[in-house]
Amino acid sequence: DAGVIQSPRHEVTEMGQEVTLRCKLISGHNSLFWYRQTMMRGLELLIYFNNNVPIDDSGMPEDRFSAKMPNASFSTLKIQPSEPRDSAVYFCASSSNHGGRPFGSGTRLTVV
Amino acid sequence: GIQVEQSPPDLILQEGANSTLRCNFSDSVNNLQWFHQNPWGQLINLFYIPSGTKQNGRLSATTVATERYSLLYISSSQTTDSGVYFCAVGTGTASKLTFGTGTRLQVTL
Repeated sequence: DAGVIQSPRHEVTEMGQEVTLRCKLISGHNSLFWYRQTMMRGLELLIYFNNNVPIDDSGMPEDRFSAKMPNASFSTLKIQPSEPRDSAVYFCASSSNHGGRPFGSGTRLTVV
Repeated sequence: GIQVEQSPPDLILQEGANSTLRCNFSDSVNNLQWFHQNPWGQLINLFYIPSGTKQNGRLSATTVATERYSLLYISSSQTTDSGVYFCAVGTGTASKLTFGTGTRLQVTL
């Protein structure tokens, strides 16, 4: 099993551009979580899905952020338009009903 | 929301030493996990331990849910153990996890 796969690993973009982060879940896992990590705020949950349905998006900073899960194994997190304060490492994690919470390697986003 | 406090915030050990990291949480939980973030930023899931004790090599963890704390033990520490250790709690296996602020561990030669 390749684990949770995120792409790209690094993204540098100019302010105002659209950014799309991608995540592929572990086969058989039915929950997906998007986290953001910054020095100031630590690890914050942005949104999570159970069985493709968004359950809690209260952590999404503002309307510029949106997340989708078009099928059981894939999710995207989109920022449009991006701003320098969005610079962070974005992690995706999945979960089965058995407990463990494997994380992807993260996407380091820099908005200049 | 639930509060998660970890101690100590920073720890420096010499290789071979043992250590205990603590996680206190403010409410009942039925999901508790320990993670290690290595110096390259990768988050590794160490234990899923809502209660009881588990061991994996030199690492072990104990959660006393009724008293709202968990402990992570590292024995015979190695330089590869360096990084930040996070405790995270939630209310179900598929629930959101709230992370503590972490314990930053540095193991020196």
